[in-house]
Amino acid sequence: NAGVMQNPRHLVRRRGQEARLRCSPMKGHSHVYWYRQLPEEGLKFMVYLQKENIIDESGMPKERFSAEFPKEGPSILRIQQVVRGDSAAYFCASSEGRQNQPQHFGDGTRLSIL
Amino acid sequence: GNSVTQMEGPVTLSEEAFLTINCTYTATGYPSLFWYVQYPGEGLQLLLKATKADDKGSNKGFEATYRKETTSFHLEKGSVQVSDSAVYFCALSFNQAGTALIFGKGTTLSVSS
Repeated sequence: NAGVMQNPRHLVRRRGQEARLRCSPMKGHSHVYWYRQLPEEGLKFMVYLQKENIIDESGMPKERFSAEFPKEGPSILRIQQVVRGDSAAYFCASSEGRQNQPQHFGDGTRLSIL
Repeated sequence: GNSVTQMEGPVTLSEEAFLTINCTYTATGYPSLFWYVQYPGEGLQLLLKATKADDKGSNKGFEATYRKETTSFHLEKGSVQVSDSAVYFCALSFNQAGTALIFGKGTTLSVSS
């Protein structure tokens, strides 16, 4: 299965710890998007990256959150000093980046903050 | 701004019933429209899409028509199955490469036998 791979599927952290979420895009895709899904809510865009570049981070909180997509390896969404409100499902999607090409989603990382 | 509004759920139906999930949008410009489905514990799967007015997207018995005059993209299926139980999300994006999806809040469908 060459779909979007996210890990871990579930992540538990205590308040104040760091959370690292990983996403490997589909083969041939060079564009990665991160979305957050809060309970009973739809998905909200956070950040859009291409290899080694952040293209749009308009949906990302200004503090504690960062994202990268290095030349080699998966995209990483990093949350520092987590708080209870960070508990959510975080989804990664990838696309070819061409017009009208759909985004394909991973199964998400469920982050729980104790 | 750009937004998507879906009918609130849950929608509860018996097997073989007709399904409609309403979706309307507000957009500055001419977006592409999508329906995604999320099964429990999984990510979103693209169900169907339409890229311009009057286009009809269809897949697995589901259909939706892009109605520019009513800014709508309602999802329909003639006969639902228990396996269709899931959360359905309507979404839009603009046709430039790399634009983010804007989602509705999702509608939970529960089908009983």
